[in-house]
Formats: sequence, C-alpha cells, structure tokens
Amino acid sequence: EIVLTQSPGTLSLSPGERATLSCRASQSVSSSYLAWYQQKRGQAPRLLIFGASSRATGIPDRFSGSGSGTDFTLTISRLEPEDSAVYYCQQYGNSPRYSFGQGTKLEIK
Amino acid sequence: EVQLVETGGGLIQPGGSLRLSCAASGFSVSSNYLSWVRQAPGTGLEWVSVIYSGGSAYYADSVRGRFTISRDDSKNTLYLQMNSLRADDAAVYYCARVPSTNPGYFDSWGQGTLVTVSS
Repeated sequence: EIVLTQSPGTLSLSPGERATLSCRASQSVSSSYLAWYQQKRGQAPRLLIFGASSRATGIPDRFSGSGSGTDFTLTISRLEPEDSAVYYCQQYGNSPRYSFGQGTKLEIK
Repeated sequence: EVQLVETGGGLIQPGGSLRLSCAASGFSVSSNYLSWVRQAPGTGLEWVSVIYSGGSAYYADSVRGRFTISRDDSKNTLYLQMNSLRADDAAVYYCARVPSTNPGYFDSWGQGTLVTVSS
C-alpha cells in the first residue's frame, strides 16, 4: 500500500504570498494518478488538480501542481482569504486502491 | 450540472446495519465509476469502495466483507450497504464520481451523510 505524507501539517501565510504544499509517496506514483483537493470547513472536498498538473474545471490559474515519482507539490500563488482550507493529495494504484495524504491546513492571516 | 445527494445516515448501534443512498443527476451512473469516501470527525479522508461501470466492485481492507456497494441504473442511484458496524465506522460518508476516462481521481462529490455508531 502506498502511503502519502503531506508537509507541513499547518501553514500560516498572508494574502498575496505564495504557498507551497508537499506530498511525498512511499513508492513511485504514476503522475496520471495523483490529484489534489481543497476542503473548506463543513464542506465536501473539491477537486483542484488531477494528473499531477492539470487544473480541474473552474479552478483559478493561481493553483498549480507539479512533480513526479515520489515527490509532488501544490503551489498556490497570490493567496486570497478564501484559500483558507485543508488540502489533500490522493493517489490511485493497483487493486484498485485509492489513498489520501493526511492533509495540510492552510491558514490565511 | 452534475449533482450527487447522499441520504441514509443516522445513529446506529454497534453491530447494526445501515444502507446509504446517493442519488445522481446530470449524468448516468451506469456509464461512470462511482465511489464512497468517508471522513471520521476531525480526521482526513479514507477511500471505502468503488464500483466500475461494468459492475466490478472493490473495497478498502477495513470494510471488505462487511460493506457492499451497488447501484440501481433505473433510479440512477448508488448504494452502500453497511453491516456489522463498528465504532470506527462513524464518519461522514461522501459519494464521489470517478471519470471513466481516468480512474485516478474524484471529480464530483456529494455533500455527505453522517453515520454515528454508538450504543
């Protein structure tokens, strides 16, 4: 089973700054099968990025994904107050089996 | 517009059974992969089960043998039959659509239904 570890656990930044969120896999993950989600308090998760770097429909270009193998990154440029949320990475593997990282909480000061 | 609406959650005693439903609109459940993902209070997301358009079903180790995923194409609805419920099954259960063109992610989510397991 592939384990995803996200860092940092919590990130506190100001509006206009850039956020860099990391997702590290215990084994190599196909880039086609790495996704990122945003979950605001009391809401369902929302797909941000799929295929490691493709933005989902309606997602602003401030959100970008990159990486390959075991190291993936979600970057949010020009932070806005509404970006305050928990962000999860997720991978899909054989069996089939899906797994999520434990999440990174992003606080906007 | 794609929409998923879960129902059926509630308070159930340990060892009991519950069936969750997820009514889909804006697309056909028979042509897509559909999944259940849960989130225990204050914790992260955990994948539970997926059913492919062809009917094949797969489960997380934590629920295999106790939970059954199914769908009714005529009602355009997904189900999750949960038996032998345990305290650690308590969570918000979300249904989510998996694009058939890429099984690797969940592109639409319902609002979730809360399952509480307690005596």
